Amino acid sequence: DTAVSQTPKYLVTQMGNDKSIKCEQNLGHDTMYWYKQDSKKFLKIMFSYNNKELIINETVPNRFSPKSPDKAHLNLHINSLELGDSAVYFCASSLTGFTEAFFGQGTRLTVV
Amino acid sequence: LAKTTQPISMDSYEGQEVNITCSHNNIATNDYITWYQQFPSQGPRFIIQGYKTKVTNEVASLFIPADRKSSTLSLPRVSLSDTAVYYCLVVRLTGANNLFFGTGTRLTVIP
Repeated sequence: DTAVSQTPKYLVTQMGNDKSIKCEQNLGHDTMYWYKQDSKKFLKIMFSYNNKELIINETVPNRFSPKSPDKAHLNLHINSLELGDSAVYFCASSLTGFTEAFFGQGTRLTVV
Repeated sequence: LAKTTQPISMDSYEGQEVNITCSHNNIATNDYITWYQQFPSQGPRFIIQGYKTKVTNEVASLFIPADRKSSTLSLPRVSLSDTAVYYCLVVRLTGANNLFFGTGTRLTVIP
């Protein structure tokens, strides 16, 4: 069983569209994250979330929004996609904000 | 959280021991040092975490001097499969939003 799974693995879409990336973890963790890794390979945290608190990196545009239907899922919604949103997006989870984090395999988003 | 500084890249021959040093001058009392490894087209993977002195597991050792302003990840007898980017992070014992990744060190193992 995959600990942290993301779908889809690849996503190609046109500018202006709205899309979602799903993330599920089966580890019973309380904290989940979304990261963006751009073409320069810099890994930037976008959100961290647990059942009590959502922390948003202030540099993330409000076109990006996390949605958590339950503790095991943290989906990423992106509105009005732009060319600069093209990147690999990673979901991760950990028991707390301090402990080992487990990452998904990534979703490569290409905006054309 | 303390900013970390690492070499951008390193090369090593197979079978050698590799030491990657990370600087974190402003580390606080509640902060731990954590290292992750990332292979191409994969998410990062936890390697090791420590607070002070030495921590060893089946993959690596982590050396942290008494002032904790730096740390060294040691990979014994590297193989080609150890080619990856290695990230040093400072994580706080309490609080959320801890996992800030820097630029990392790209290690290339040469046959």
